[in-house]
Amino acid sequence: GAVVSQHPSWVICKSGTSVKIECRSLDFQATTMFWYRQFPKQSLMLMATSNEGSKATYEQGVEKDKFLINHASLTLSTLTVTSAHPEDSSFYICSASGDTEAFFGQGTRLTVV
Amino acid sequence: AQSVAQPEDQVNVAEGNPLTVKCTYSVSGNPYLFWYVQYPNRGLQFLLKYITGDNLVKGSYGFEAEFNKSQTSFHLKKPSALVSDSALYFCAVRPGYSSASKIIFGSGTRLSIRP
Repeated sequence: GAVVSQHPSWVICKSGTSVKIECRSLDFQATTMFWYRQFPKQSLMLMATSNEGSKATYEQGVEKDKFLINHASLTLSTLTVTSAHPEDSSFYICSASGDTEAFFGQGTRLTVV
Repeated sequence: AQSVAQPEDQVNVAEGNPLTVKCTYSVSGNPYLFWYVQYPNRGLQFLLKYITGDNLVKGSYGFEAEFNKSQTSFHLKKPSALVSDSALYFCAVRPGYSSASKIIFGSGTRLSIRP
């Protein structure tokens, strides 16, 4: 199956700093990628849909100025958590869809201290 | 509203016994149906999918799922459980056929296989 690579796997940052997470589709072109957030023992919450060459579409309740998404190429989407706070600590997962199923990155564990 | 339901938060099965993880959906039309598995601190791994055709779909690691249109269900099954099957399982539905279509996930079922 297709491979989606997400980096870093984990990151610890100080409160007030920004963190960038990369999501790459390694063997196919993805015009659309998705960013999810997962709280402990819960399902995935869709944050936004990343569209190559255009603005991302954010789900209701997700602050677009806090979670900046850039999809500059057909193989790379980035999520930047700006001015991070402890409540932003979570597991973030990206995905890219093929013709039928979606493929997921390994996830990024963000801890803000 | 479109939704996916996994009625069991946790399923406990003895190793070697058959297992079933339940999933029902409420989506119009003929959606794509999926099962994914998640191990701790990892992303989701694709197990299997139903697009069209035979109602019994076979997937990775010996798992299979049965599509039932009249009951709008897509239960995950395995004839003989392994301890290594212990993980979090998600049922998912893609209502649209475009790769840009959002996927709707169930709440997840934690499968625990005891030796």
